[in-house]
Amino acid sequence: IAGITQAPTSQILAAGRRMTLRCTQDMRHNAMYWYRQDLGLGLRLIHYSNTAGTTGKGEVPDGYSVSRANTDDFPLTLASAVPSQTSVYFCASRRPNTGELFFGEGSRLTVL
Amino acid sequence: QQQVKQSPQSLIVQKGGISIINCAYENTAFDYFPWYQQFPGKGPALLIAIRPDVSEKKEGRFTISFNKSAKQFSLHIMDSQPGDSATYFCAASRTARAGGSYIPTFGRGTSLIVHP
Repeated sequence: IAGITQAPTSQILAAGRRMTLRCTQDMRHNAMYWYRQDLGLGLRLIHYSNTAGTTGKGEVPDGYSVSRANTDDFPLTLASAVPSQTSVYFCASRRPNTGELFFGEGSRLTVL
Repeated sequence: QQQVKQSPQSLIVQKGGISIINCAYENTAFDYFPWYQQFPGKGPALLIAIRPDVSEKKEGRFTISFNKSAKQFSLHIMDSQPGDSATYFCAASRTARAGGSYIPTFGRGTSLIVHP
């Protein structure tokens, strides 16, 4: 089934460690997004990419970086994890010429 | 600044009842208003969406009502079922038609529980 694949599903990480969350899509969508979901705060945009080779900052970009080397992959990196980055992270892509987002199943990250 | 305000935060209804979730937005340039449904352990999925040129859109038991002058839109779930128990997010974005880039702003979500 076509869609968004995220890895890992869950991870426990020591503070200060580097972590990359992987996101791959097979729909050839140009636009991709990373959100974090926290109870009571909804979905907050971290970074986005409108097309391969370009990225942009969202609402909460500090402590995170992204790259978009090709259309299919959009990894999110935490250079030095902190406990406040404990969250569920969702990657999404957007159907062209519409506002419809397709989400992955999420990556649950715990930083101790 | 919270551009999309969603209420209530949680909602409990009986099977067969009507569930109503409300959202209000700030930016008058928004021209696409989707609702997403999220089950526990899953990612959100598009449920229904509306553009501001219509006041209502219905798909099965789900209806969006849109009030452009009040900058408000709401999701109505008729004949609510236990299987509708999920978290619902409203969102708003500017599409290319409005000179935007589709990046959606989400409400904070409503946890709906439908009792059998």
